[in-house]
Amino acid sequence: AQSVTQLDSHVSVSEGTPVLLRCNYSSSYSPSLFWYVQHPNKGLQLLLKYTSAATLVKGINGFEAEFKKSETSFHLTKPSAHMSDAAEYFCVVKDAGNMLTFGGGTRLMVKP
Amino acid sequence: DAGITQSPRHKVTETGTPVTLRCHQTENHRYMYWYRQDPGHGLRLIHYSYGVKDTDKGEVSDGYSVSRSKTEDFLLTLESATSSQTSVYFCAISLTSGGAYEQYFGPGTRLTVT
Repeated sequence: AQSVTQLDSHVSVSEGTPVLLRCNYSSSYSPSLFWYVQHPNKGLQLLLKYTSAATLVKGINGFEAEFKKSETSFHLTKPSAHMSDAAEYFCVVKDAGNMLTFGGGTRLMVKP
Repeated sequence: DAGITQSPRHKVTETGTPVTLRCHQTENHRYMYWYRQDPGHGLRLIHYSYGVKDTDKGEVSDGYSVSRSKTEDFLLTLESATSSQTSVYFCAISLTSGGAYEQYFGPGTRLTVT
């Protein structure tokens, strides 16, 4: 069985400061990992994905994530937050089949 | 935009009534999924389809049925809606199931059961 834990349900940062959203996973397989973003009243948009090609993955809008197998982590970072980054972020794990398992979500708030 | 539409986008219905939500895709993807989103739970899989007339249950399938008579349409039916089915429902598609193929999500349907 696979599971995903997003360690913070809410994160608040000031505009221009770094963002760190934490995610730990468990999986019996070598998983694929994803980060999705959901803006208010919108669907989910793919930010980035890990496919075992490289441990540091770059995504859209300046986000990146690092896969650390020894720590079973896939934390999402961004060097400088923008107001438009305020949204909910989901860490997702996928095993060899077609089942996605979602974390509970982290709501990112960006203060001016 | 992954060519996914959902209808209706909002619906209010009464307990005990049947409800059908529609997902339509224009990408000819083989795999389609229905999820529900509730606070603190992320998205949970209700049912999925791996081809026309081929469907299977997900994590939270009780009280829901699905049908897929055409590649482009995947219907989710609540046979007798209950207040616990008040949620936001998302449809998703993927090209295939294996590897790192991501899923693309529709805009969602907000369902309220009173």
